[in-house]
Amino acid sequence: AQSVTQPDIHITVSEGASLELRCNYSYGATPYLFWYVQSPGQGLQLLLKYFSGDTLVQGIKGFEAEFKRSQSSFNLRKPSVHWSDAAEYFCAVGARGYQKVTFGTGTKLQVIP
Amino acid sequence: GAGVSQSPSNKVTEKGKDVELRCDPISGHTALYWYRQSLGQGLEFLIYFQGNSAPDKSGLPSDRFSAERTGGSVSTLTIQRTQQEDSAVYLCASSLSSGEANEKLFFGSGTQLSVL
Repeated sequence: AQSVTQPDIHITVSEGASLELRCNYSYGATPYLFWYVQSPGQGLQLLLKYFSGDTLVQGIKGFEAEFKRSQSSFNLRKPSVHWSDAAEYFCAVGARGYQKVTFGTGTKLQVIP
Repeated sequence: GAGVSQSPSNKVTEKGKDVELRCDPISGHTALYWYRQSLGQGLEFLIYFQGNSAPDKSGLPSDRFSAERTGGSVSTLTIQRTQQEDSAVYLCASSLSSGEANEKLFFGSGTQLSVL
């Protein structure tokens, strides 16, 4: 069964600083990988997804993520954080040939001026 | 509808009572998921439907929890004899998926369940 770990529960960054949120997955083959964001008072929204091909994927709001098979990781990055990026971020994994999507425990991002 | 609709948005109940949570997915979405979100627990998978069938019920915490989907559309999550530990936000999501976990999930706003 697939699983995903987000080791950081809470991260604080200054506005304008770079950001990297960590995600590690457990799955025997190449999984489907996703990052979702949950802003205060809003529903979960897809930021980006990886299925195959280019290991660096671009998403909305200036986010990108890189799939590294050797490290079983799919870290989310942004070069310059804006105050509006304060939210909770969830990494998710899906197995091929199977419909279940498993989410991590989330990382809460705080942005300070 | 335009998005995934969940009702009620808030439900306060007494311990031991039964509750029903409803989810109206986006029209045409064949896949429907239920998740539970508790503080510090992330999104806990409960069950998913493909059409009216539930191939994976492995996430249901106990036999007090059940779910059904009718007409390939509306789904109801029922919790019998509620306990305080059932207090959480219950999220529903739907997608165009037809057997693969490769489609974007569209989430509803959730039902905040409080068991007193």
